[in-house]
Amino acid sequence: ETGVTQTPRHLVMGMTNKKSLKCEQHLGHNAMYWYKQSAKKPLELMFVYSLEERVENNSVPSRFSPECPNSSHLFLHLHTLQPEDSALYLCASSQTAVGLAAYEQYFGPGTRLTVT
Amino acid sequence: AQSVTQPDIHITVSEGASLELRCNYSYGATPYLFWYVQSPGQGLQLLLKYFSGDTLVQGIKGFEAEFKRSQSSFNLRKPSVHWSDAAEYFCAVGAGGTSYGKLTFGQGTILTVHP
Repeated sequence: ETGVTQTPRHLVMGMTNKKSLKCEQHLGHNAMYWYKQSAKKPLELMFVYSLEERVENNSVPSRFSPECPNSSHLFLHLHTLQPEDSALYLCASSQTAVGLAAYEQYFGPGTRLTVT
Repeated sequence: AQSVTQPDIHITVSEGASLELRCNYSYGATPYLFWYVQSPGQGLQLLLKYFSGDTLVQGIKGFEAEFKRSQSSFNLRKPSVHWSDAAEYFCAVGAGGTSYGKLTFGQGTILTVHP
C-alpha cells in the first residue's frame, strides 16, 4: 500500500449505531488530519494530530471521537450521529503539523458516510 | 479570519482549449495559497503551492497559477486541457503561524471537458 488509505470506503449507519472510520498513512508523516466534505459546503477541518497528540479540535461535536494510537494510524469513532452528519470524511497526512510543510497534505480517498 | 471564494461553481471547456479557474482570498497577512484537485471517488491531490517569491508558480500536470496581491487572487491556468483534467478543483489558503496546517478551502469548481 502506498499513500493514505481509508476504510471502509462506504458506510451506512443508523443514528443509534457505533462505528469507526480508519485511516492509515504509509508516508512516514508525523501529522494526520480529519476533514468533513459535505455537499455544497467547503471542506471543513475537524481534527489535527501531531505525533499522536491532538493539537486542534475545530469545534466538532462530541459524537465524533478521534483516536491516534501511533503516527501511522488515525481513527474516527462515531456514535449517535445525526442525518446531517452524512458526508465524505477525508483523512490527510503531512510531514509535520507546523510550518510550511504542514500545508502539503496528502489525502486519502475518503469514507462516504450515510446516516439513516 | 481567512476566506476563499471560487466564483465559478461549474466550468465547461472543450479538449485542447485553454483554462482559467478563478480564486479570490481574504487574509490580512501574506497568504500561503494552494490548488488541489479531486477526481471522482478520490481524495484531494496537491497541484501547486505559493509561499513567497516568484508570483507565477508551476505545478503538476501542466498547471500554473499566478498570485496577484493587488487583486487578492490566485487563478489557476492551463494552456491546453485534456479530457483527464475533468475533476473538481479547490483553492485553499493557509493561515501560517501556529495554525497546525489549517487550510481554508473554497467551495470548489467542477470542470467538465468536452471532446
